[in-house]
Amino acid sequence: EAQVTQNPRYLITVTGKKLTVTCSQNMNHEYMSWYRQDPGLGLRQIYYSMNVEVTDKGDVPEGYKVSRKEKRNFPLILESPSPNQTSLYFCASGPTGGPGGQETQYFGPGTRLLVL
Amino acid sequence: GQQLNQSPQSMFIQEGEDVSMNCTSSSIFNTWLWYKQDPGEGPVLLIALYKAGELTSNGRLTAQFGITRKDSFLNISASIPSDVGIYFCAGQVAGGTSYGKLTFGQGTILTVHP
Repeated sequence: EAQVTQNPRYLITVTGKKLTVTCSQNMNHEYMSWYRQDPGLGLRQIYYSMNVEVTDKGDVPEGYKVSRKEKRNFPLILESPSPNQTSLYFCASGPTGGPGGQETQYFGPGTRLLVL
Repeated sequence: GQQLNQSPQSMFIQEGEDVSMNCTSSSIFNTWLWYKQDPGEGPVLLIALYKAGELTSNGRLTAQFGITRKDSFLNISASIPSDVGIYFCAGQVAGGTSYGKLTFGQGTILTVHP
């Protein structure tokens, strides 16, 4: 089954304790992206990757890091989480190029993070 | 960064009514997308628009890419209870270093009363 998986789905942590949210896709997609969703603000893009070893900042990259060492994985790293990073996080993947582009991206189920 | 204003923020309608929502941008986009998010799920793509003036349908859903490339509209006809959810517009700029960036609107929360 074609899917984007995220782990963990729920996480409670404390300020300053480094954490990683994993994202994996099995569709051989080149494009992957991370978003955070907050009430009244919609989804905001954190980082995206057009291909392996290529990453770029989205609209809200501060406080986050990503890496793309393999095509299928795109982990999101919070080196020193703060309470304002409490949010619902979505990973997405999609093909690049052609009329489909990354417009037809598929979203994971989400990771709900609470930073105390 | 770019701003997308989506309205209305929420709608409460009766089953069978038609629904309209729209997004406006301060910048030009070359692609407009409409997503729906069900509770506890990630967004799912409904309609993608690639050319100014384009009108595209997907069942009871119709979306249009504004002529100015700064706006888009989504209409849902004859609403049913399963249309409940949050609807998001999203825009993608043309080429260059920002090709992978996608900007979302704030969302429209739709409630349908049977």
